[in-house]
Amino acid sequence: DIQMTQSPSSLSASVGDRVTITCRASQSIATYLNWYQQKPGTAPKLLIHAASSLRGGVPSRFSGSGSGADFTLTISSLQPEDFATYYCQQTYSNRLTFGGGTKVEIK
Amino acid sequence: EVQLVESGGDLVPPGRSLRLSCAASGFKFDDYAMHWVRHIPGKGLEWVSGISWNSGTIVYADSVKGRFTISRDNAKNSLYLQMNSLRTEDTALYYCAKDSTYNTSPESYMDVWGSGTTVTVSS
Repeated sequence: DIQMTQSPSSLSASVGDRVTITCRASQSIATYLNWYQQKPGTAPKLLIHAASSLRGGVPSRFSGSGSGADFTLTISSLQPEDFATYYCQQTYSNRLTFGGGTKVEIK
Repeated sequence: EVQLVESGGDLVPPGRSLRLSCAASGFKFDDYAMHWVRHIPGKGLEWVSGISWNSGTIVYADSVKGRFTISRDNAKNSLYLQMNSLRTEDTALYYCAKDSTYNTSPESYMDVWGSGTTVTVSS
């Protein structure tokens, strides 16, 4: 199976900060990489698909980049509602795998 | 309104079986692949299994292969997960999720999620 490694596993940031989360695949996955946001007590929500395509309705402060094995999720100016856990997911293989998650907390 | 509603979660001892259900509404169910994803307490998300629109392609995570069976009934707009030989490590919140395509393809993403049903395996 393709392993997905996210870093950091957690971070503390302030409102207005620029935040970057990285995701590394154990092999090349082209751009078959999705990002999800999960808040406590709620189901995950899709933010970005195909590495950089923003889902409709998702604020433009979220962006994704990367290809091959290295990817990033960037929040350009962190807002109070962005404090959550973020997961990457590869769909290159039909045995899907998620990264371990990055918890974004308030500093 | 597009909606997925899971049911069937329970507290069971190790070795027992459980069947989860997911009722879909608000979209053409038989046009899309579907998945089960679990969230283990204190850990992250784990994809469990996926099934194509016509049940022609079925895939499992290694951790459940041979114990869990995914199925769907398009006439009833429902997805199922038969869970046998349950282990303590299967304790989790189980989500049903809709795929963006009819098959589990590289272009897929999970665009609709249910609110989950809790499975607790404990003696």
